[in-house]
Amino acid sequence: EIVMTQSPLSLPVTPGEPASISCRSSQSLLHSNEKNYLEWFLQKPGQSPQLLIYMGSNRASGVPDRFSGSGSGTDFTLNIRRVEAEDVGIYYCMQALQTPYTFGQGTKVDIK
Amino acid sequence: QVQLVQSGAEVKKPGSSVKVSCKASGATFNFYTVTWVRQAPGQGLEWMGRIVPFTGLTDYAQKFQGRVTITADKSTSTAYMDLSGLKSEDTAVYYCATGMYYRETNSYSDFDSWGQGALVTVSS
Repeated sequence: EIVMTQSPLSLPVTPGEPASISCRSSQSLLHSNEKNYLEWFLQKPGQSPQLLIYMGSNRASGVPDRFSGSGSGTDFTLNIRRVEAEDVGIYYCMQALQTPYTFGQGTKVDIK
Repeated sequence: QVQLVQSGAEVKKPGSSVKVSCKASGATFNFYTVTWVRQAPGQGLEWMGRIVPFTGLTDYAQKFQGRVTITADKSTSTAYMDLSGLKSEDTAVYYCATGMYYRETNSYSDFDSWGQGALVTVSS
């Protein structure tokens, strides 16, 4: 089973400022098709999770372009260019290379 | 985007079973995976298993093997997750999610749309 490790686990942010979350996997998520099987989700308070990024760097439908994903292999990053108040919640990375798919512990983002 | 509507909250006794439903709107239900993920109170997300409605093929996390059964009724675009031998540790919100193929990137995710979640409480 692939282990996913996120950091930090808590991230106070200032609206308008950038934010960054790191995610590391215990084995490479780079497939032979040159795609990274890494996804990012945001779970806003009291809501279901929503897909932000798939295949490491592709924004899901309707996701604002202030969100971007980068990285390859075992190290990935989710960047928020300028945080808005509506971005608070818990962010999870997840590997989709092999089942059981596994999630990171989550990073709680809130406003300073 | 597919809309997923799940059944309501349940309270169950230890040792019993629960069956949670997930009804999809949209013509793509049969062709993409329906995945079940759970979240214990105050905890993170845990992948339980998935089904491809068109083929009926399933894939379960080893942790739940023998206790979970995921099925799908193509005629009603509804997927089901049946969990038996309930323990207090199974108290959680159970989510279904369905996939999407993204033509523009020739890629796929199992998690394009999510249901609202169903709280299952296991208590004597």
